[in-house]
Amino acid sequence: DVQMTQSPSNLAASPGESVSINCKASKSISKYLAWYQQKPGKANKLLIYSGSTLQSGTPSRFSGSGSGTDFTLTIRNLEPEDFGLYYCQQHNEYPRTFGGGTKLELK
Amino acid sequence: EVQLVESGGGLVKPGASLKLSCVASGFTFSDYWMSWVRQTPGKTMEWIGDIKYDGSYTNYAPSLKNRFTISRDNAKSTLYLQMSNVRSEDTATYYCTRSYYGYTFDYWGQGVMVTVSS
Repeated sequence: DVQMTQSPSNLAASPGESVSINCKASKSISKYLAWYQQKPGKANKLLIYSGSTLQSGTPSRFSGSGSGTDFTLTIRNLEPEDFGLYYCQQHNEYPRTFGGGTKLELK
Repeated sequence: EVQLVESGGGLVKPGASLKLSCVASGFTFSDYWMSWVRQTPGKTMEWIGDIKYDGSYTNYAPSLKNRFTISRDNAKSTLYLQMSNVRSEDTATYYCTRSYYGYTFDYWGQGVMVTVSS
């Protein structure tokens, strides 16, 4: 199985700031990485797939980069609704695997 | 509007069986792969498996393959997860997801909790 390691586990920031969340795969997954957002009381949301392709409806302040084993989710100009849990997931091979999550909190 | 509504969770004893259901609406269910994903109380997310749009093919996480079975009834727009010989480590919130050919999960249900305890 491909192990996915996210960092940091916790991140505190203020509205208007920019943040980056990293995801490292235990072996190359080409470009096939997705990012999800989880917020209390709301359905989980697919933000980005194939490393950098924004899912329909994802605001342009979100961006994804990387390939091979190292990927980054960047959120620019944080909005209050961006605080929550973020997960990466590889979709290069079975079994699909997720990172451990990053909690983005309000500073 | 896409909606996925899970049901069938609750408190079950170790060794028991349980069947979760997920009723889909707002899209043509028979056109899509579907998946189950679970999240432990510690927030670890784990892919369980998926099923092709016509039910002809399934994939499973190796650690769950012998105990979990995914099926679907396209006439009822319903996805199922049959869990057998459940263990305490199966305690989690179970999510039904619409899947893009098994690759990513573009819509999620609200989840249903399963607690395995004697």
